[in-house]
Amino acid sequence: DIQMTQSPSSVSASVGDRVTITCRASQGIRSWLAWYQQKPGKAPKLLIYAASNLQTGVPSRFSGSGSGTEFTLTISSLQPEDFATYYCQQVNSFPITFGQGTRLEIK
Amino acid sequence: QLQLQQSGPRLVKPSETLSLTCTISGGSFSTRDNHWGWIRQPPAQGVEWIGSIHYTGNTYYSPSLKSRVTISVDTSKNQFSLKLNSVTATDTAVYYCARRGAPGYSYDVWGQGTLVTVSS
Repeated sequence: DIQMTQSPSSVSASVGDRVTITCRASQGIRSWLAWYQQKPGKAPKLLIYAASNLQTGVPSRFSGSGSGTEFTLTISSLQPEDFATYYCQQVNSFPITFGQGTRLEIK
Repeated sequence: QLQLQQSGPRLVKPSETLSLTCTISGGSFSTRDNHWGWIRQPPAQGVEWIGSIHYTGNTYYSPSLKSRVTISVDTSKNQFSLKLNSVTATDTAVYYCARRGAPGYSYDVWGQGTLVTVSS
């Protein structure tokens, strides 16, 4: 199985801050990585697919980069609605695996 | 617009079988290149992929659950289903169905989630 490791596990930030979350794969996954945002009581929401492609309807302050084993999700200017938990996921091979999540909290 | 609607019991007794169904509307199970999956999330924990079924009928399962899981389809009803047998309290979770398709083959459409509690 491909292990996905996110860092940090949690981060505190303020509205307007720039935040970066990192995801590392235990082996190369080319660009087959997605990022999701989850708010309490809701299903995860797809933000980024294929490492750097913005899902339709997602604000442009979200961006993704990377390939191989190291990936990043960047939020350029945090908005109040961005405080949530973020997960990375590899879809390069079965079994599909998720990172453990990064909780983004208000400072 | 594709939507997924989950149904099934919210309370299952230990050692019995958890069964959930996901009904597809606004689209077809048989659409080329689509995978239809099940994902779960125990209370206050991260998300775990359970398995998926391809539009061809091929199935793929998490190794940790493979011995207990069956995912199947009823194309006449445009539904796919999850069965997890011999459940224990550790199977208590919110269960989601979801669709993977092009581009990117990530889960872009999700069901509403069902909290299934395993308890006697």
